[in-house]
Amino acid sequence: GQNIDQPTEMTATEGAIVQINCTYQTSGFNGLFWYQQHAGEAPTFLSYNVLDGLEEKGRFSSFLSRSKGYSYLLLKELQMKDSASYLCAVRAGDYKLSFGAGTTVTVRA
Amino acid sequence: DVKVTQSSRYLVKRTGEKVFLECVQDMDHENMFWYRQDPGLGLRLIYFSYDVKMKEKGDIPEGYSVSREKKERFSLILESASTNQTSMYLCAVTGGAFSGANVLTFGAGSRLTVL
Repeated sequence: GQNIDQPTEMTATEGAIVQINCTYQTSGFNGLFWYQQHAGEAPTFLSYNVLDGLEEKGRFSSFLSRSKGYSYLLLKELQMKDSASYLCAVRAGDYKLSFGAGTTVTVRA
Repeated sequence: DVKVTQSSRYLVKRTGEKVFLECVQDMDHENMFWYRQDPGLGLRLIYFSYDVKMKEKGDIPEGYSVSREKKERFSLILESASTNQTSMYLCAVTGGAFSGANVLTFGAGSRLTVL
């Protein structure tokens, strides 16, 4: 199975940068995903990494190091609407996606 | 992109009742999943299905069963609901614009309270 760890909570100021770390232990690694979930809503897809390196998508970037079992999600130019939970998820094999407990990010004015 | 619809947003049931949670997708995707989400524990996989009449146990299948008689519909069944099954249940489907990555698209969720 997977063991996925990420911080429980983070707080940052509007306009700042926040980095959410995720470490994992798994067999048969086949991709790492980041999802965003606003309170009371379903998770929505943010990013996907399967090879080492940085994937940039607008204000959000995600990094993966497979040898270290490590990923981070970088949120730049924080906006109030970025207040949400951010879920790290690891896929093993073709289908099964396992999630971390999520990191709640609070953006303050 | 695929649309995933869960029939009930909120349910209140009594201990011992049989509960059906329905999930329907509007495309022809093979893979469908049921997760439950609890504070501090994140999303945990209950069951998934990769085709009609096919099912695989996830990490926490105990107390649950599933049914996939048609490709578009995946049902989660609690044969005898218990209070520890009070949770948010999320159905998900893989496929769509990022189908190469098997990105999950989630339904809005069904919040079940068992009294």
